[in-house]
Amino acid sequence: AQTVTQSQPEMSVQEAETVTLSCTYDTSESDYYLFWYKQPPSRQMILVIRQEAYKQQNATENRFSVNFQKAAKSFSLKISDSQLGDAAMYFCAYRSGNTDKLIFGTGTRLQVFP
Amino acid sequence: KAGVTQTPRYLIKTRGQQVTLSCSPISGHRSVSWYQQTPGQGLQFLFEYFSETQRNKGNFPGRFSGRQFSNSRSEMNVSTLELGDSALYLCASTLLAGGTGEQYFGPGTRLTVT
Repeated sequence: AQTVTQSQPEMSVQEAETVTLSCTYDTSESDYYLFWYKQPPSRQMILVIRQEAYKQQNATENRFSVNFQKAAKSFSLKISDSQLGDAAMYFCAYRSGNTDKLIFGTGTRLQVFP
Repeated sequence: KAGVTQTPRYLIKTRGQQVTLSCSPISGHRSVSWYQQTPGQGLQFLFEYFSETQRNKGNFPGRFSGRQFSNSRSEMNVSTLELGDSALYLCASTLLAGGTGEQYFGPGTRLTVT
């Protein structure tokens, strides 16, 4: 069975600084996708970034980028130039290639200080 | 384009009662997934439906059931409610099951069981 582990329950960062959230996963599958979702206090789940396992290039979306280490089964999220609006719960998630079922990590609460 | 809608947004029920939650996917989306979010268990997958067929089911008791209609709208039902069923129930829709499609989440239904 696939598992997703987020070992940092809470992280904090100063506004305009950079922070990295960690995620590791376990799978024996070759076709899968990895995601980072943001859940602000409104509880609306918002997709931040996704990575296809078959792509070697790390995904980037504006201030958000990932470090995808396939052999190490590691998928960290880097947030550059942090903003107050980035404060939220961040969930790492795994999806097999032939299903929509997401397996979530336990989440990391990110605080951003002015 | 309207997003994923969930009704009702808030619900209070008594132990032993049953409840039905509804999810309307984004227009054109044919796949709907359901998740339960609790402080103790985190985000857990409930069901996945595509074209009125259940493709996947999470590890939940038989009290939890769901269905999808021909217009892709989905409902989930919980019978004989228990206090532990208190949770935020999220649904997500995708254009097609599996593949590279992005999942869009609804705002959730907050169920409180007293």
